[in-house]
Amino acid sequence: DAGVIQSPRHEVTEMGQEVTLRCKPISGHNSLFWYRQTMMRGLELLIYFNNNVPIDDSGMPEDRFSAKMPNASFSTLKIQPSEPRDSAVYFCASSLDRAPGERPQHFGDGTRLSIL
Amino acid sequence: DAKTTQPTSMDCAEGRAANLPCNHSTISGNEYVYWYRQIHSQGPQYIIHGLKNNETNEMASLIITEDRKSSTLILPHATLRDTAVYYCIVRDYLTGTASKLTFGTGTRLQVTL
Repeated sequence: DAGVIQSPRHEVTEMGQEVTLRCKPISGHNSLFWYRQTMMRGLELLIYFNNNVPIDDSGMPEDRFSAKMPNASFSTLKIQPSEPRDSAVYFCASSLDRAPGERPQHFGDGTRLSIL
Repeated sequence: DAKTTQPTSMDCAEGRAANLPCNHSTISGNEYVYWYRQIHSQGPQYIIHGLKNNETNEMASLIITEDRKSSTLILPHATLRDTAVYYCIVRDYLTGTASKLTFGTGTRLQVTL
């Protein structure tokens, strides 16, 4: 079975440009998570969705960041305008929340973003 | 979610069992213990989880103390490919919708020849 698929794997762009990261969760999963990982801050949750509805976006750093989930098989994380401090590895994860406790999250391979 | 404490780093010889401890002294009755690992440049990988009974799967075993204040992840025969950062996370299981994982700094396991 295909896992969580993220694209692109690597993105290098100049400051001020719009960046769009994409994620396809595992088919049948009903929750989707966006994380960011840096050396300084480690892995931190940005936002998560349940049944395509944003549940908690308290981790989104500022208004430059936005995330959407138009359907169960696709999500985007957009940064506009991008800044050098946004450079990080961005991970998407999905899970099937079918019962209390049975919620292991499955992660994609990440997008390594560099803002020059 | 309850906070966890793990050693910063550990070494293990290849072929030997790797025992990774985790303290979660403030865990509540509603919280599971989850273990993930992250191999360099890859996304975190789910390993195992449990509530109060010991658990085993094809990757590892999870031993939870009777008072549930600590646990140990056991990799029975460590290989070089098990070199990674291992995260112990406790997480409420009664949340009606998805609940988030809070990653700490984890234990960096180095498996050596």
